[in-house]
Amino acid sequence: GEDVEQSLFLSVREGDSSVINCTYTDSSSTYLYWYKQEPGAGLQLLTYIFSNMDMKQDQRLTVLLNKKDKHLSLRIADTQTGDSAIYFCAPSRGSTLGRLYFGRGTQLTVWP
Amino acid sequence: DVKVTQSSRYLVKRTGEKVFLECVQDMDHENMFWYRQDPGLGLRLIYFSYDVKMKEKGDIPEGYSVSREKKERFSLILESASTNQTSMYLCASRADTQYFGPGTRLTVL
Repeated sequence: GEDVEQSLFLSVREGDSSVINCTYTDSSSTYLYWYKQEPGAGLQLLTYIFSNMDMKQDQRLTVLLNKKDKHLSLRIADTQTGDSAIYFCAPSRGSTLGRLYFGRGTQLTVWP
Repeated sequence: DVKVTQSSRYLVKRTGEKVFLECVQDMDHENMFWYRQDPGLGLRLIYFSYDVKMKEKGDIPEGYSVSREKKERFSLILESASTNQTSMYLCASRADTQYFGPGTRLTVL
């Protein structure tokens, strides 16, 4: 299987940048996803990156991948109170086959 | 828009009852998954299915079974519910990306 590690908590002030880190163990992971879960809701796909990329930017979100170190990060620029949620990193070996492996999630709290 | 629906948002059952959690997706996805989510433990995979009538055990299948008679529907069954199965249950389906339902919060008394 795959072990996915994330820090459990992160607190930032509104307007600052947030960086959520993730490490994984399976070097065969080719698709790496970030999900967001708001209180009482299911998981919502935020973004993903292919393993042949180093960086992907999508509006306020920047994903960085260090494949050598098996380290993935999600940066949220100009963090807002509405970004408060749990964020999950989820690597996968394939795009359509195979399961995703989830970390325990990082609880992001944004203070006004 | 992909839609994954779950039969109940909240469910309260008694110890020993047989419990059915239903999940339906409308995008003709072959892959479907059941997870449970507990504070501090993240998402743990219970069972998944790659096709109709196919099932694979996940990381914590004990105490659960599943049924996939139709492509769009994947059911999770607790044969005899126990208090340690009180949890949030999340269903998901997948093609190139994985989509989640809203979750069922099950309480077993």
